[in-house]
Amino acid sequence: LAKTTQPISMDSYEGQEVNITCSHNNIATNDYITWYQQFPSQGPRFIIQGYKTKVTNEVASLFIPADRKSSTLSLPRVSLSDTAVYYCLVGPGQDSASKIIFGSGTRLSIRP
Amino acid sequence: DGGITQSPKYLFRKEGQNVTLSCEQNLNHDAMYWYRQDPGQGLRLIYYSQIVNDFQKGDIAEGYSVSREKKESFPLTVTSAQKNPTAFYLCASSADKNTEAFFGQGTRLTVV
Repeated sequence: LAKTTQPISMDSYEGQEVNITCSHNNIATNDYITWYQQFPSQGPRFIIQGYKTKVTNEVASLFIPADRKSSTLSLPRVSLSDTAVYYCLVGPGQDSASKIIFGSGTRLSIRP
Repeated sequence: DGGITQSPKYLFRKEGQNVTLSCEQNLNHDAMYWYRQDPGQGLRLIYYSQIVNDFQKGDIAEGYSVSREKKESFPLTVTSAQKNPTAFYLCASSADKNTEAFFGQGTRLTVV
């Protein structure tokens, strides 16, 4: 499974756009990139998933460059309720097992 | 409503006792997972199961056991062999390895 690297923490203000970048240099051909959000004492919640180029849904956008060695989660006009930990996952790759492995995540803090 | 249910939400046990955490899903998902989360840390995979009657160890399986006798159920037993059992335990399920995982609300286990 490809290893991911993302910033430990980020701060921003309400109404700003926040971009969290994840590095995954060893991404495999059939890996997908998935982002989850977790609030304290709750299970993670799926945000968005992509394979290449750009994916957009009602809550976020995911930008993936052509080499796929990194990806950027973009949260438009954040609010205080977006304060959470965000996890970038890459997989499952060549591994036929259905493992879903989480890294340490990025702790995002939004201020008024 | 479809979803994944963990019970109980809080659990207290005396040191040396085995304890079983429940995880039930009615999403008809084949894959199920158990994670452990310590304060301020990411999720670590304990066990996962791709289909009924089959399961594999994750990164931190020592001191834990699971069973998958039914598609909808994946109970986790924390045995007395687990040296530091106090943690937040999360169960998840997914349709397959490329689709999003759905998480339960977690069980906070405290061993005294």
